[in-house]
Amino acid sequence: GDSVTQMEGPVTLSEEAFLTINCTYTATGYPSLFWYVQYPGEGLQLLLKATKADDKGSNKGFEATYRKETTSFHLEKGSVQVSDSAVYFCALSAPRGWGKLQFGAGTQVVVTP
Amino acid sequence: DAGVIQSPRHEVTEMGQEVTLRCKPISGHDYLFWYRQTMMRGLELLIYFNNNVPIDDSGMPEDRFSAKMPNASFSTLKIQPSEPRDSAVYFCASRSSGALDTDTQYFGPGTRLTVL
Repeated sequence: GDSVTQMEGPVTLSEEAFLTINCTYTATGYPSLFWYVQYPGEGLQLLLKATKADDKGSNKGFEATYRKETTSFHLEKGSVQVSDSAVYFCALSAPRGWGKLQFGAGTQVVVTP
Repeated sequence: DAGVIQSPRHEVTEMGQEVTLRCKPISGHDYLFWYRQTMMRGLELLIYFNNNVPIDDSGMPEDRFSAKMPNASFSTLKIQPSEPRDSAVYFCASRSSGALDTDTQYFGPGTRLTVL
């Protein structure tokens, strides 16, 4: 079945450091790919998404590129802020899957001043 | 729009009691999803509805769990009787099949359930 694997956390970095969170997936066909972010005590918010191969999603300085050849959707940000401390979830939505999301385990990111 | 609304935000109950969680999806959204989040199991999809009809309840852990959607603006998730292992954060999400961002789910703030 479909699955998403993302790097374990917590990831701890200093402010202005470069952030990468790896995400790989297994799916039939061409799923849509997402990154959701969960701030402490809140629900999940869509951060960015990509719906086809080679698409790049971007938002709030974060970027991720849909790589079909490596089945990956790694999240990157060039210079993190303390306010980026959160849990980040990679997810996929399979074609003809009723819009169901398959989530990865989540990666906690802690940014220190 | 107010977004997805869930109530209560926190619920503390004793083992054996009935618990009802409530969700109001975004107006016009025709899909509604219930998730459970725990440290051990992460985010799990419990059940989802399309136009108020349950499509897939294979994620519901056992018969103690039930969900209904009597109309397009309201859904409940009920646990009867509740057990300590049901302690988790329960999220409701909705999406619209007719919107430009049709594949995007919008999440509520969650209900933190503690069963003593």
